Amino acid sequence: GAVVSQHPSRVICKSGTSVKIECRSLDFQATTMFWYRQFPKQSLMLMATSNEGSKATYEQGVEKDKFLINHASLTLSTLTVTSAHPEDSSFYICSASLPAGGPDTQYFGPGTRLTVL
Amino acid sequence: RKEVEQDPGPFNVPEGATVAFNCTYSNSASQSFFWYRQDCRKEPKLLMSVYSSGNEDGRFTAQLNRASQYISLLIRDSKLSDSATYLCVVGGYYKLSFGAGTTVTVRA
Repeated sequence: GAVVSQHPSRVICKSGTSVKIECRSLDFQATTMFWYRQFPKQSLMLMATSNEGSKATYEQGVEKDKFLINHASLTLSTLTVTSAHPEDSSFYICSASLPAGGPDTQYFGPGTRLTVL
Repeated sequence: RKEVEQDPGPFNVPEGATVAFNCTYSNSASQSFFWYRQDCRKEPKLLMSVYSSGNEDGRFTAQLNRASQYISLLIRDSKLSDSATYLCVVGGYYKLSFGAGTTVTVRA
């Protein structure tokens, strides 16, 4: 149980385009989903916390107008990187928390590797 | 100062050896502690939670020292499959903070 999927697993795009990444909880309802970014040899950095039906909470330094998050249902959250640039190239990972699993229990998706040319 | 700091390694050990490493965290109000494993270009996977009393899961032993704010992981009888990056993770208030990871390479 507690499986989280992400789509696509890899995307290559031209500078200036927008990219949408989907995160789905497959066998449970996730009231809260998290979006992380990981640059090579660095730690996962939390970008935003997304609660179903409400606006996402962004971490300091993360531009909410550039990284649009929509959490329209209990099983789906999307991250849209708008007008992507080469410096946005990174590994984007989502996670979902299972309410019964405790406040810090998160299940991670397999990640999306974004390369912006 | 980073919230979670780890020695990046790499730790290169032969099969069957014991390897141990620590991490330190800065927020004394942290409430939960974990070790995750991350293989190259993959998502992190939970290895084990860490409790104040210390806990063991097969060949893996984790310890938490709240007074000194450090967490340790010891791997006994290393296997080739233990080669990975180990992430120290500290949680609190529904957020997780990740260390940059300690790389372990087990050689035959």
